[in-house]
Amino acid sequence: DAKTTQPPSMDCAEGRAANLPCNHSTISGNEYVYWYRQIHSQGPQYIIHGLKNNETNEMASLIITEDRKSSTLILPHATLRDTAVYYCIVRVAEGEPRNQWSTGNQFYFGTGTSLTVIP
Amino acid sequence: DTAVSQTPKYLVTQMGNDKSIKCEQNLGHDTMYWYKQDSKKFLKIMFSYNNKELIINETVPNRFSPKSPDKAHLNLHINSLELGDSAVYFCASSQVSEQFFGPGTRLTVL
Repeated sequence: DAKTTQPPSMDCAEGRAANLPCNHSTISGNEYVYWYRQIHSQGPQYIIHGLKNNETNEMASLIITEDRKSSTLILPHATLRDTAVYYCIVRVAEGEPRNQWSTGNQFYFGTGTSLTVIP
Repeated sequence: DTAVSQTPKYLVTQMGNDKSIKCEQNLGHDTMYWYKQDSKKFLKIMFSYNNKELIINETVPNRFSPKSPDKAHLNLHINSLELGDSAVYFCASSQVSEQFFGPGTRLTVL
């Protein structure tokens, strides 16, 4: 069962900010929010992750609501190369006890949001 | 330099055959993974291997067996291939939190 909900598709004009929402209302206290993207025919690429504070790196910003039940990935100036499927994932950090399979909590990427950047 | 590499990129084979997919990472990571992405694009974890500890996803058939000759390699061997095994298989590695994925191996079982 997916632990996140994302819109199936979005369009964004080139040069504008792309705001990709994600709902994770059942997130646990020790689970992080991760974002990955997958450009056609390539392996997934890590973008950013966070626990409860907003995060920013050279690729994107991650805004997590105070109740942690949703988050938004922001690509500040979308380019054509940002066209991809974006996955929002909640999971425990690497150092956490490795019980995610024994408890049936499998690491699903879900269906993601297909972002198309339009020239 | 390629961080995570997989061979072959494409693999076409007949039902019932045995095949292997190789994965190598040059990042010095301790943990490696195998994922399967099916036709519906769901990316599901199959195995995790960390410092000689293999963590098996119980839903994976025992026809699939990961083998790690050393920390930099995690190969996937598949026995008695079935039509439903057709998918793209991704290898990944990680050290702390970020996972680095390989380019994928597209397996087609005829």
